[in-house]
Amino acid sequence: AQSVTQLDSHVSVSEGTPVLLRCNYSSSYSPSLFWYVQHPNKGLQLLLKYTSAATLVKGINGFEAEFKKSETSFHLTKPSAHMSDAAEYFCVLDTGRRALTFGSGTRLQVQP
Amino acid sequence: DAGVIQSPRHEVTEMGQEVTLRCKPISGHNSLFWYRQTMMRGLELLIYFNNNVPIDDSGMPEDRFSAKMPNASFSTLKIQPSEPRDSAVYFCASRQTGGVTEAFFGQGTRLTVV
Repeated sequence: AQSVTQLDSHVSVSEGTPVLLRCNYSSSYSPSLFWYVQHPNKGLQLLLKYTSAATLVKGINGFEAEFKKSETSFHLTKPSAHMSDAAEYFCVLDTGRRALTFGSGTRLQVQP
Repeated sequence: DAGVIQSPRHEVTEMGQEVTLRCKPISGHNSLFWYRQTMMRGLELLIYFNNNVPIDDSGMPEDRFSAKMPNASFSTLKIQPSEPRDSAVYFCASRQTGGVTEAFFGQGTRLTVV
């Protein structure tokens, strides 16, 4: 069975401080993993993807994620939050055998 | 490419009416997904097509929902009859299978059934 667990439904940070959004996965197959962002009343946009080429993946807008097989994790980080980062973030698992599996989402609030 | 195009962007309809949502995937993509998003249930996969063939429709809530993909450039999601609990944002996404490829999402259709 495959699943994705986003450990926090809400995260609140101050502008300029680091962001950590946590994601754990379960998969019987070699996974590909993605992070998507959804701003209010918008569609979903790809932030970054892990394809097994490198465990540290850089995405758009300064976001990064590190794939840790031993911990079955793919946490999303950013060194310094901006107000424009306030959005909902989804961790997504793809084993290539069925449609994408979405986590439940983490809502990021950025306080001024 | 203009991306995944969904229409209409907003739909308000009365309970019992038929609703048809439309999606044009990105040219060359051979997989298409319909998702539904609500506050209570988050993002739910409704149906997944590969090469125009439905592969997984286990997420379709009930017989009131149906989806078609008559060709590689068009898909519809129909609700008949509609109910207030169908109110949600419906997203269509497409991608090219083979290798690791991300799905591209449309802007969604916000459906309100009154």
